[in-house]
Amino acid sequence: GNSVTQMEGPVTLSEEAFLTINCTYTATGYPSLFWYVQYPGEGLQLLLKATKADDKGSNKGFEATYRKETTSFHLEKGSVQVSDSAVYFCALLPWAGSYQLTFGKGTKLSVIP
Amino acid sequence: DAGVTQSPTHLIKTRGQQVTLRCSPKSGHDTVSWYQQALGQGPQFIFQYYEEEERQRGNFPDRFSGHQFPNYSSELNVNALLLGDSALYLCASSPRDRGRGETQYFGPGTRLLVL
Repeated sequence: GNSVTQMEGPVTLSEEAFLTINCTYTATGYPSLFWYVQYPGEGLQLLLKATKADDKGSNKGFEATYRKETTSFHLEKGSVQVSDSAVYFCALLPWAGSYQLTFGKGTKLSVIP
Repeated sequence: DAGVTQSPTHLIKTRGQQVTLRCSPKSGHDTVSWYQQALGQGPQFIFQYYEEEERQRGNFPDRFSGHQFPNYSSELNVNALLLGDSALYLCASSPRDRGRGETQYFGPGTRLLVL
């Protein structure tokens, strides 16, 4: 079956530090990959996505590259801000046969001034 | 351009009661999915509606049912509520499927507390 594994949190960083949140997946074929962000008390917002191997998704300074060979989609940001404090979810959507997003358990990020 | 909207924002029910949650998709979207997010967990897929029919269902009991209207809005109904149904219920909409799953955009959610 399909599954997503992301690094356990919480992660605490100082402002302007470099961020990496690891995400690996198991799926057949070529799934689409997503990062969603959830701010406290809110729903999920799409942060970025990639639909094929070697694609790089980017938004608001965040980046992630679809690596088929390592089945990974790690989230990175060069300089985090306090406003980036949130829970980040990696997710996949299968290539075919399913319309179900499969999520990781989420990684809570706290950025301190 | 209005995003996905959900109502109500919060709800408190007691065990055994029934609840209906509502969702209006993003403009231009015709597909609605529902997810349950327990505290501290990732969302779990309940089902997806397309063309007023349930297209796919996750691993949820029949107590969870839904409906999609001609204007693409949707309802999620949960019967015989259990304490374990307390969660954030998220609605997501997506545009017409062009042969593979499309990106899903989420609403703010309805937080349900069952006492």
